[in-house]
Amino acid sequence: DQQVKQNSPSLSVQEGRISILNCDYTNSMFDYFLWYKKYPAEGPTFLISISSIKDKNEDGRFTVFLNKSAKHLSLHIVPSQPGDSAVYFCAGKETSGSRLTFGEGTQLTVNP
Amino acid sequence: NAGVTQTPKFHILKTGQSMTLQCAQDMNHGYLSWYRQDPGMGLRRIHYSVAAGITDKGEVPDGYNVSRSNTEDFPLRLESAAPSQTSVYFCASSSLQGFDEQYFGPGTRLTVT
Repeated sequence: DQQVKQNSPSLSVQEGRISILNCDYTNSMFDYFLWYKKYPAEGPTFLISISSIKDKNEDGRFTVFLNKSAKHLSLHIVPSQPGDSAVYFCAGKETSGSRLTFGEGTQLTVNP
Repeated sequence: NAGVTQTPKFHILKTGQSMTLQCAQDMNHGYLSWYRQDPGMGLRRIHYSVAAGITDKGEVPDGYNVSRSNTEDFPLRLESAAPSQTSVYFCASSSLQGFDEQYFGPGTRLTVT
């Protein structure tokens, strides 16, 4: 049962444009969501998170939007830079546990 | 601080052989966990620990053992490797208060033939 789905395995955008990465979840008990970024041959690094009591969280060029009714979150990167090219994972978590449930990942390529 | 270190970076095992993947952290974090990453499946937690002497199973624990004798180290043991354990393995650490924001090591790419 894939509780967190990232339906786009890959996304390609031009430098300076907006990148939008999407994530859907099925577990209504998730109340905290995170995005991680992963470069080749490195471990994932934490990027940004959002609590279910919010619908938006912003950190510089990165903004995460949460639509609880649709069980959908998205990561916006504006403007996109070639250094943003990486695999992006979203993850969901229930308050009561320590488990992070990850999506499959989306490979973002930002072309100069 | 080195953060989270893992050794080896790469390894090839034959079916039935055993080996230990090493993980160490120097951030004085209480929470440590092991994940495996497989194509199309994201990261799945194998085992985790909230303190020295305390370990628990994650979502995919079969075929793996862990121990935690101190704060820093969290080795993952494969007693009898199987081809299904071919994967990239990540160790991650966090403080107990902020265990959502985990710090990952660089990974070990393991191939079982």
